[in-house]
Amino acid sequence: ETGVTQSPTHLIKTRGQQVTLRCSSQSGHNTVSWYQQALGQGPQFIFQYYREEENGRGNFPPRFSGLQFPNYSSELNVNALELDDSALYLCASSGWLGPQETQYFGPGTRLLVL
Amino acid sequence: QQPVQSPQAVILREGEDAVINCSSSKALYSVHWYRQKHGEAPVFLMILLKGGEQKGHEKISASFNEKKQQSSLYLTASQLSYSGTYFCGTEIVGTASKLTFGTGTRLQVTL
Repeated sequence: ETGVTQSPTHLIKTRGQQVTLRCSSQSGHNTVSWYQQALGQGPQFIFQYYREEENGRGNFPPRFSGLQFPNYSSELNVNALELDDSALYLCASSGWLGPQETQYFGPGTRLLVL
Repeated sequence: QQPVQSPQAVILREGEDAVINCSSSKALYSVHWYRQKHGEAPVFLMILLKGGEQKGHEKISASFNEKKQQSSLYLTASQLSYSGTYFCGTEIVGTASKLTFGTGTRLQVTL
């Protein structure tokens, strides 16, 4: 158990719709990262938030946006859904392991766009 | 730039050893190893920092060659529970806490 939770676990949407995915990090973990994992691929970095500010972004279009809240929860919003957005979406909470930070993943939300 | 993992897949009998490699074209600050079972989230195994460090966790250990920007994960006396897909996540120098994951190595351990 990583202490990171995500909701919902599964979601089905149609092309053009909007979706909001939620993540609850471990208390005290100020950094949260979001990843998209397509079937058979490694997780792809979407963006990262630190203390409610975006702290880096991967190669994803602006229709992918996020928010982080003071209570260690965060959201990933995707507008104008496309078929290729179908994937497992993972959030990862950063925590210190000795002198180094690592990322602990939540169980993910599996999104299917029809 | 995505790190390259090899092999792409490996099948072992229980008790056999395996090595999974991860290679990057960028200067790395650290390498993070994860194991993901089907339908589940990646589970953290270990971190290696630059400096040629080698670490171990039960029968799983890893090394990091900073000069070659390569890391290897060593699985000894494999158990059925080791089955899954192994990912290396690389942290490039200057991009704190942002991991770039390889395409994964699928490991299957059989009786």
